[in-house]
Amino acid sequence: DTAVSQTPKYLVTQMGNDKSIKCEQNLGHDTMYWYKQDSKKFLKIMFSYNNKELIINETVPNRFSPKSPDKAHLNLHINSLELGDSAVYFCASSRAGGYTDTQYFGPGTRLTVL
Amino acid sequence: AQSVSQHNHHVILSEAASLELGCNYSYGGTVNLFWYVQYPGQHLQLLLKYFSGDPLVKGIKGFEAEFIKSKFSFNLRKPSVQWSDTAEYFCAVNAGSGGYQKVTFGTGTKLQVIP
Repeated sequence: DTAVSQTPKYLVTQMGNDKSIKCEQNLGHDTMYWYKQDSKKFLKIMFSYNNKELIINETVPNRFSPKSPDKAHLNLHINSLELGDSAVYFCASSRAGGYTDTQYFGPGTRLTVL
Repeated sequence: AQSVSQHNHHVILSEAASLELGCNYSYGGTVNLFWYVQYPGQHLQLLLKYFSGDPLVKGIKGFEAEFIKSKFSFNLRKPSVQWSDTAEYFCAVNAGSGGYQKVTFGTGTKLQVIP
């Protein structure tokens, strides 16, 4: 059984388009995250939600809008895509978001903006 | 703000060689430390973590890491690597805020093991 799943796995699109990436976890966790991994493999947190509430919102352009319809889902919508948005986006979840909780990662979505 | 440095960007070893990957963090308070691994084409998964107690932590697949508070370090070790250990290794520190974790990752070390 897949613990944290993301769709799509690959996404190729033109500049200026709007796209969404979906994430679902079946672990019963309360906290979910979005990370961006750039071409140099640097992994940086973007957002964190706990029980559908936003708790971490890093310095991310407001073209990026996360949405959590329930605690098992955290989707990422990106408006007006730019070349610099090309990256691998990872979703993750943890039990309760506490300091010692392990994060479980999804397989990643490779976004390419042309 | 917390930060993590991994000084080795690319390490190439022969099978059976010993491994040590460096990780240094910058944060003045209590930290929790993690090592994650990303095998080719796969997602990140936890190797081991430290949050209290014995500073020598043992993880999966024969990996261990030692937390040295005075050096702000959490180096990853394995006495004898295998070809299957070829992967990207990420050190991470979690200092958090408001009771919730905020994990900062290092830039990763790519390990290539030659058969």
